Amino acid sequence: EPEVTQTPSHQVTQMGQEVILRCVPISNHLYFYWYRQILGQKVEFLVSFYNNEISEKSEIFDDQFSVERPDGSNFTLKIRSTKLEDSAMYFCASRESTGTDTQYFGPGTRLTVL
Amino acid sequence: AQSVTQLGSHVSVSEGALVLLRCNYSSSVPPYLFWYVQYPNQGLQLLLKYTSAATLVKGINGFEAEFKKSETSFHLTKPSAHMSDAAEYFCAVSESTGFQKLVFGTGTRLLVSP
Repeated sequence: EPEVTQTPSHQVTQMGQEVILRCVPISNHLYFYWYRQILGQKVEFLVSFYNNEISEKSEIFDDQFSVERPDGSNFTLKIRSTKLEDSAMYFCASRESTGTDTQYFGPGTRLTVL
Repeated sequence: AQSVTQLGSHVSVSEGALVLLRCNYSSSVPPYLFWYVQYPNQGLQLLLKYTSAATLVKGINGFEAEFKKSETSFHLTKPSAHMSDAAEYFCAVSESTGFQKLVFGTGTRLLVSP
């Protein structure tokens, strides 16, 4: 069964460093999402992406964050200058279409900022 | 704006007992509703979803949920708990149109004792 994959599974970085989290959505999916889950808290929406542009973003998704689909398969989330409070599990999700289609989630990348 | 409230951060049941996880939602537009399960160190897996068809929705692993508009509820049930059901359960809501970001509740950890 097709699945969403994410790399790395765990990333440790120093405060102020740039990180890139990578996701490979399911191949025929057109809509892409990033969510995050700070330890012990709920899963929060960050951004949705369709047709090579951001379709919606939350207030969390400030200028330090960016997304792109560089090669038609990968979908990346970049954090330019990480802060301690960026430590969280980051989930990528994709769906084939809107309407009743399901969002399929990847296993997540745990980001630890020291 | 949409929101989800999950009553009870932890629910404990004995193996074989009824599982009831509560979810209430708020939405100014007709909602779609979802239950996701998260096993330790794994991503989010869809259990079931309500997308305005039948109000009683059956999902995987013997779970079901009933959409009650008058009560703004979408409680998750399973007649007989198994040890393997121990996990974190998240209720989520989305709009039925647009890019349909998911808005999650805070989650309920289900503990199953022998």
